[in-house]
Amino acid sequence: AQSVTQLGSHVSVSEGALVLLRCNYSSSVPPYLFWYVQYPNQGLQLLLKYTSAATLVKGINGFEAEFKKSETSFHLTKPSAHMSDAAEYFCAVRYGGATNKLIFGTGTLLAVQP
Amino acid sequence: NAGVTQTPKFQVLKTGQSMTLQCAQDMNHEYMSWYRQDPGMGLRLIHYSVGAGITDQGEVPNGYNVSRSTTEDFPLRLLSAAPSQTSVYFCASTPSQETGSAFFGQGTRLTVV
Repeated sequence: AQSVTQLGSHVSVSEGALVLLRCNYSSSVPPYLFWYVQYPNQGLQLLLKYTSAATLVKGINGFEAEFKKSETSFHLTKPSAHMSDAAEYFCAVRYGGATNKLIFGTGTLLAVQP
Repeated sequence: NAGVTQTPKFQVLKTGQSMTLQCAQDMNHEYMSWYRQDPGMGLRLIHYSVGAGITDQGEVPNGYNVSRSTTEDFPLRLLSAAPSQTSVYFCASTPSQETGSAFFGQGTRLTVV
């Protein structure tokens, strides 16, 4: 079954520390991969996406993610956390085809401590 | 630029009542979908549409109906509300390319008592 797994439902980092949010997908065919961010009481906003053009993808707000086919991973990183990064982050996968459905992971809530 | 507009933002229903959540997009996207968001479960796909007149079920379709008579609108109907349908509902709109990113509405917070 097509799925995406986010390890760690809650991650806490100190301001200025590295942010690493993990995402693994299940497929023998590389999918299209997305990271979305959700601030409290808001909808989802696209951070970045992988569409096979480049394995290292840069997004908004200083975030980036690297597609690693051998590890079936698409982890999200940011070198230095800011208080404003506190939010919930969702990894999502699309396998294309006729339906083009977007399947989400269960989310990771990022807390940034001062 | 409105993007994806959902109404209402908040709603309280009694068990057994019916209602329609509205979703409209002004980007001429072919794909539209409805998700529900519950704590610890991420977003789960309820129904989706690949174009006007075409709809299909997602992961959790029971208790919900959809229709797509125009490209712009994709309403979600709750036939007989149950407490298990208490959730936050998001509508999304996506361009037809496989690499297209989904655009989300601001959500509808529904409570069924």
